[in-house]
Amino acid sequence: SQTIHQWPATLVQPVGSPLSLECTVEGTSNPNLYWYRQAAGRGLQLLFYSVGIGQISSEVPQNLSASRPQDRQFILSSKKLLLSDSGFYLCAWSVDRGAHGYTFGSGTRLTVV
Amino acid sequence: GEDVEQSLFLSVREGDSSVINCTYTDSSSTYLYWYKQEPGAGLQLLTYIFSNMDMKQDQRLTVLLNKKDKHLSLRIADTQTGDSAIYFCATLGRANNLFFGTGTRLTVIP
Repeated sequence: SQTIHQWPATLVQPVGSPLSLECTVEGTSNPNLYWYRQAAGRGLQLLFYSVGIGQISSEVPQNLSASRPQDRQFILSSKKLLLSDSGFYLCAWSVDRGAHGYTFGSGTRLTVV
Repeated sequence: GEDVEQSLFLSVREGDSSVINCTYTDSSSTYLYWYKQEPGAGLQLLTYIFSNMDMKQDQRLTVLLNKKDKHLSLRIADTQTGDSAIYFCATLGRANNLFFGTGTRLTVIP
């Protein structure tokens, strides 16, 4: 069966420090991968999506970047965190976006202090 | 871009029905979804409806779609305290990506 792993679950980082969040998917090949951010009291914002290795599309300009070094690995990074980067980050995957939608990881709560 | 809107809060008494509403702007949306997020957790797909349907029932959940008005609703019958969560409406739209609403926080009062 397919599973999605996201870590760490929580992270507290100082302003100006780097960030690396990792997401891996098991049990499927060539998934579409997504990073979403959920800011406090707000909905989900699509940050990046990837349809294949090395292919990254950015939905919004920001302080973050994403990479997909392997088929089932998706990494969210920042060189220097801002206070406004705090939020709940969710990774998701899909193969058939129609009837099954996306499958989400358990999320990483990032607090920038 | 796609705009998906929901009320932020809903409170109901245990045993009553809950109705969570959603409006969207992209008339070409093919699939529409309801996700549930429990505190500190990821999103769980509850149900979905294809755009050529106007109703779908799945146990205590009923989804109604008014495509003309671009209005989607989720009805939860006999709401329980375990139903307390944030419910997100989502549409499959532009570039085949999902666009989510802001989420509705459902509070069930015992």
